[in-house]
Amino acid sequence: GAVVSQHPSRVICKSGTSVKIECRSLDFQATTMFWYRQFPKKSLMLMATSNEGSKATYEQGVEKDKFLINHASLTLSTLTVTSAHPEDSSFYICSASHGQDNSPLHFGNGTRLTVT
Amino acid sequence: SQQGEEDPQALSIQEGENATMNCSYKTSINNLQWYRQNSGRGLVHLILIRSNEREKHSGRLRVTLDTSKKSSSLLITASRAADTASYFCARGQGAQKLVFGQGTRLTINP
Repeated sequence: GAVVSQHPSRVICKSGTSVKIECRSLDFQATTMFWYRQFPKKSLMLMATSNEGSKATYEQGVEKDKFLINHASLTLSTLTVTSAHPEDSSFYICSASHGQDNSPLHFGNGTRLTVT
Repeated sequence: SQQGEEDPQALSIQEGENATMNCSYKTSINNLQWYRQNSGRGLVHLILIRSNEREKHSGRLRVTLDTSKKSSSLLITASRAADTASYFCARGQGAQKLVFGQGTRLTINP
């Protein structure tokens, strides 16, 4: 089955620093990747939709300058949390799509970000 | 909530029993998908049911969809301890965008 690799799985950083999270589709070309945020025991909140070669589309309330998304190739999207603060601590999950409607998404294993 | 509702929020049953989780939504859908998440991990796709389908099976899983009531259910038969996880429904909109429900935390007691 399709594999999506997300790295790192855990990261601890100090306030004010930036953190980059990578999402790679290992065995298929992902025309679209999605970035989600999940709080403890809560649902996944879509942050942005990332299309290869174009600017990401952010959901309402998500600061695009805070959460920089780059999708430079069909197999890699990155999310950079800039000037991280403790309230940015969360579980971030990416997913990748083949680009066809009515087909499932493939998810990475998530990144646990802790900002101290 | 735009995300829709899932119930119950938590479910604890004995191994071997069946587990039923329900999902309701408010807007039109292309499809309804169910995912499983083990603690601290990503999501694993279980079943996708299209808006013109009413029931789908996969192993011990059975999903129903009632578009007139805007609801879906996931049934896990003969539950096992390894089924312990959170289960999310997600409504598929255009361009692969998914909106997730709140999830049901399922605990299977041995």
